[in-house]
Amino acid sequence: DAGVIQSPRHEVTEMGQEVTLRCKPISGHNSLFWYRQTMMRGLELLIYFNNNVPIDDSGMPEDRFSAKMPNASFSTLKIQPSEPRDSAVYFCASSETTGTSGGYTFGSGTRLTVV
Amino acid sequence: KQEVTQIPAALSVPEGENLVLNCSFTDSAIYNLQWFRQDPGKGLTSLLLIQSSQREQTSGRLNASLDKSSGRSTLYIAASQPGDSATYLCAVWVSGTYKYIFGTGTRLKVLA
Repeated sequence: DAGVIQSPRHEVTEMGQEVTLRCKPISGHNSLFWYRQTMMRGLELLIYFNNNVPIDDSGMPEDRFSAKMPNASFSTLKIQPSEPRDSAVYFCASSETTGTSGGYTFGSGTRLTVV
Repeated sequence: KQEVTQIPAALSVPEGENLVLNCSFTDSAIYNLQWFRQDPGKGLTSLLLIQSSQREQTSGRLNASLDKSSGRSTLYIAASQPGDSATYLCAVWVSGTYKYIFGTGTRLKVLA
Protein backbone atom coordinates (compact mmCIF):
# COMPACT_ATOMS: atom_id res chain seq x y z
CA ASP A 1 0.00 0.00 0.00
CA ALA A 2 1.22 3.52 -0.78
CA GLY A 3 0.22 4.78 2.63
CA VAL A 4 -1.87 7.85 3.34
CA ILE A 5 -1.59 10.22 0.41
CA GLN A 6 -2.07 13.96 0.78
CA SER A 7 -2.11 16.66 -1.84
CA PRO A 8 -0.84 19.19 -2.46
CA ARG A 9 2.42 19.00 -0.49
CA HIS A 10 2.71 22.78 -0.41
CA GLU A 11 0.11 25.46 -0.95
CA VAL A 12 0.64 29.20 -1.00
CA THR A 13 -2.46 31.31 -1.34
CA GLU A 14 -3.63 34.85 -0.80
CA MET A 15 -5.85 35.81 2.08
CA GLY A 16 -9.50 35.42 1.21
CA GLN A 17 -9.00 32.62 -1.28
CA GLU A 18 -10.52 29.18 -0.94
CA VAL A 19 -8.14 26.34 -0.15
CA THR A 20 -8.89 22.64 -0.55
CA LEU A 21 -6.66 19.96 0.93
CA ARG A 22 -7.03 16.35 -0.13
CA CYS A 23 -6.42 12.99 1.49
CA LYS A 24 -6.57 9.38 0.38
CA PRO A 25 -6.50 6.99 3.36
CA ILE A 26 -5.07 3.51 3.41
CA SER A 27 -7.41 1.02 1.81
CA GLY A 28 -9.39 -0.84 4.46
CA HIS A 29 -8.92 1.79 7.16
CA ASN A 30 -12.30 2.97 8.37
CA SER A 31 -11.31 6.02 10.38
CA LEU A 32 -9.81 9.23 9.06
CA PHE A 33 -8.44 12.18 10.99
CA TRP A 34 -7.44 15.72 10.08
CA TYR A 35 -4.83 17.40 12.27
CA ARG A 36 -3.22 20.81 12.20
CA GLN A 37 0.30 21.39 13.48
CA THR A 38 1.78 24.74 14.47
CA MET A 39 4.78 25.67 16.54
CA MET A 40 2.60 27.36 19.12
CA ARG A 41 -0.13 24.75 19.55
CA GLY A 42 1.44 21.50 18.43
CA LEU A 43 -0.84 18.87 16.89
CA GLU A 44 -4.53 19.67 17.12
CA LEU A 45 -7.28 17.31 16.03
CA LEU A 46 -9.69 19.14 13.73
CA ILE A 47 -12.16 16.43 12.80
CA TYR A 48 -12.44 12.70 12.51
CA PHE A 49 -14.59 10.39 10.46
CA ASN A 50 -15.60 6.81 11.08
CA ASN A 51 -17.03 4.86 8.16
CA ASN A 52 -17.24 8.14 6.22
CA VAL A 53 -19.40 9.78 8.89
CA PRO A 54 -18.10 12.81 10.85
CA ILE A 55 -17.94 11.76 14.50
CA ASP A 56 -16.31 14.70 16.19
CA ASP A 57 -15.75 18.09 14.59
CA SER A 58 -15.31 20.00 17.84
CA GLY A 59 -11.75 20.86 16.87
CA MET A 60 -12.73 22.73 13.73
CA PRO A 61 -11.74 26.29 14.63
CA GLU A 62 -14.37 28.26 12.75
CA ASP A 63 -17.15 27.97 10.24
CA ARG A 64 -14.59 28.84 7.59
CA PHE A 65 -13.37 25.26 7.93
CA SER A 66 -15.31 22.34 6.51
CA ALA A 67 -14.47 18.70 5.82
CA LYS A 68 -16.11 16.00 3.77
CA MET A 69 -15.62 12.30 3.19
CA PRO A 70 -17.80 11.34 0.23
CA ASN A 71 -16.44 7.78 0.13
CA ALA A 72 -14.01 5.49 1.92
CA SER A 73 -11.07 6.48 -0.24
CA PHE A 74 -11.21 10.27 -0.27
CA SER A 75 -11.56 13.23 2.07
CA THR A 76 -11.22 16.99 1.71
CA LEU A 77 -10.59 19.81 4.13
CA LYS A 78 -11.68 23.18 2.85
CA ILE A 79 -10.95 26.65 4.20
CA GLN A 80 -13.04 29.47 2.82
CA PRO A 81 -12.06 32.26 3.11
CA SER A 82 -8.46 31.60 4.16
CA GLU A 83 -6.61 33.86 6.61
CA PRO A 84 -2.90 34.23 7.45
CA ARG A 85 -3.46 32.60 10.85
CA ASP A 86 -4.49 29.42 9.04
CA SER A 87 -0.89 28.94 7.96
CA ALA A 88 0.21 25.56 9.33
CA VAL A 89 0.95 22.01 8.33
CA TYR A 90 -2.21 19.96 7.91
CA PHE A 91 -1.95 16.22 8.38
CA CYS A 92 -4.34 13.48 7.48
CA ALA A 93 -4.15 10.12 9.25
CA SER A 94 -6.09 6.89 8.93
CA SER A 95 -6.64 3.93 11.19
CA GLU A 96 -8.39 0.63 11.50
CA THR A 97 -10.75 1.01 14.41
CA THR A 98 -12.20 -2.42 14.64
CA GLY A 99 -11.75 -3.11 18.30
CA THR A 100 -9.14 -0.97 20.01
CA SER A 101 -5.91 -2.18 18.51
CA GLY A 102 -5.50 0.39 15.78
CA GLY A 103 -2.68 2.84 15.51
CA TYR A 104 -2.43 5.82 13.20
CA THR A 105 -0.70 6.09 9.86
CA PHE A 106 0.01 9.68 8.89
CA GLY A 107 0.32 11.27 5.51
CA SER A 108 3.24 13.55 4.70
CA GLY A 109 1.19 16.66 5.30
CA THR A 110 0.27 19.81 3.39
CA ARG A 111 2.19 22.94 4.30
CA LEU A 112 -0.23 25.84 3.88
CA THR A 113 0.95 29.42 3.72
CA VAL A 114 -1.65 32.18 3.53
CA VAL A 115 -0.19 35.57 2.64
CA LYS B 1 -10.06 15.87 29.93
CA GLN B 2 -7.03 13.88 28.89
CA GLU B 3 -3.76 15.82 28.88
CA VAL B 4 -0.44 14.47 27.67
CA THR B 5 2.87 15.95 28.77
CA GLN B 6 6.36 15.17 27.54
CA ILE B 7 9.54 15.90 29.42
CA PRO B 8 12.06 17.15 28.53
CA ALA B 9 10.97 19.48 25.75
CA ALA B 10 14.44 19.33 24.24
CA LEU B 11 17.47 17.14 24.73
CA SER B 12 20.99 17.21 23.33
CA VAL B 13 23.31 14.24 23.92
CA PRO B 14 26.60 12.93 22.55
CA GLU B 15 26.50 9.96 20.22
CA GLY B 16 26.46 6.58 21.93
CA GLU B 17 24.51 7.57 25.01
CA ASN B 18 21.47 5.66 26.19
CA LEU B 19 18.56 8.00 26.82
CA VAL B 20 15.02 8.07 28.14
CA LEU B 21 12.15 10.20 26.96
CA ASN B 22 9.16 10.59 29.25
CA CYS B 23 5.44 10.86 28.58
CA SER B 24 2.73 11.31 31.19
CA PHE B 25 -1.05 11.36 30.82
CA THR B 26 -3.76 12.39 33.24
CA ASP B 27 -6.45 9.77 32.58
CA SER B 28 -5.53 6.10 32.72
CA ALA B 29 -8.59 5.07 30.67
CA ILE B 30 -6.73 4.50 27.42
CA TYR B 31 -6.81 1.81 24.75
CA ASN B 32 -3.22 2.15 23.71
CA LEU B 33 -0.26 4.50 23.50
CA GLN B 34 1.81 5.19 20.41
CA TRP B 35 5.24 6.75 20.02
CA PHE B 36 5.99 8.67 16.83
CA ARG B 37 9.05 10.24 15.29
CA GLN B 38 8.88 13.44 13.24
CA ASP B 39 11.78 14.73 11.19
CA PRO B 40 11.88 18.45 10.36
CA GLY B 41 9.39 19.33 7.65
CA LYS B 42 8.13 15.76 7.47
CA GLY B 43 5.17 13.73 8.62
CA LEU B 44 4.94 11.45 11.63
CA THR B 45 6.35 7.94 11.55
CA SER B 46 5.03 5.36 13.97
CA LEU B 47 7.74 3.80 16.13
CA LEU B 48 5.99 1.64 18.71
CA LEU B 49 2.42 0.89 19.70
CA ILE B 50 1.65 -0.43 23.18
CA GLN B 51 -1.79 -1.82 23.95
CA SER B 52 -3.27 -0.99 27.36
CA SER B 53 -2.82 -4.61 28.46
CA GLN B 54 0.89 -4.59 27.62
CA ARG B 55 3.81 -3.34 29.67
CA GLU B 56 6.38 -2.78 26.94
CA GLN B 57 7.25 -3.07 23.27
CA THR B 58 10.65 -3.31 21.62
CA SER B 59 11.91 -2.55 18.15
CA GLY B 60 15.63 -2.64 17.52
CA ARG B 61 17.31 -0.07 19.76
CA LEU B 62 13.96 1.28 20.94
CA ASN B 63 12.02 0.10 23.96
CA ALA B 64 8.78 1.66 25.15
CA SER B 65 7.17 0.91 28.49
CA LEU B 66 3.71 1.67 29.76
CA ASP B 67 2.50 2.04 33.35
CA LYS B 68 -1.17 2.78 32.92
CA SER B 69 -1.97 3.07 36.59
CA SER B 70 0.54 5.85 37.12
CA GLY B 71 -0.14 7.46 33.75
CA ARG B 72 3.40 7.14 32.42
CA SER B 73 5.29 5.85 29.44
CA THR B 74 8.97 5.96 28.64
CA LEU B 75 10.82 5.58 25.37
CA TYR B 76 14.30 4.19 25.81
CA ILE B 77 16.82 4.67 23.00
CA ALA B 78 19.97 2.60 23.28
CA ALA B 79 23.31 3.66 21.83
CA SER B 80 21.98 6.86 20.29
CA GLN B 81 23.13 7.90 16.81
CA PRO B 82 23.03 11.24 14.96
CA GLY B 83 20.31 9.73 12.74
CA ASP B 84 18.08 9.53 15.80
CA SER B 85 17.86 13.33 15.85
CA ALA B 86 14.19 14.23 15.47
CA THR B 87 11.14 15.18 17.50
CA TYR B 88 9.53 12.30 19.38
CA LEU B 89 5.82 12.46 20.18
CA CYS B 90 3.68 10.22 22.31
CA ALA B 91 -0.06 9.91 21.84
CA VAL B 92 -2.74 8.16 23.87
CA TRP B 93 -5.87 6.67 22.38
CA VAL B 94 -8.67 7.77 24.64
CA SER B 95 -11.10 5.07 25.76
CA GLY B 96 -14.61 5.48 24.40
CA THR B 97 -13.41 7.56 21.46
CA TYR B 98 -11.67 7.02 18.17
CA LYS B 99 -8.94 9.57 18.66
CA TYR B 100 -5.43 10.11 19.92
CA ILE B 101 -4.36 12.98 22.13
CA PHE B 102 -0.78 14.06 21.42
CA GLY B 103 1.93 15.36 23.68
CA THR B 104 3.96 18.40 22.67
CA GLY B 105 7.02 16.32 21.87
CA THR B 106 10.69 16.08 22.81
CA ARG B 107 13.22 17.52 20.34
CA LEU B 108 16.25 15.27 20.38
CA LYS B 109 19.63 16.14 18.98
CA VAL B 110 22.39 13.53 18.98
CA LEU B 111 25.82 15.03 18.45
CA ALA B 112 28.45 13.21 16.41
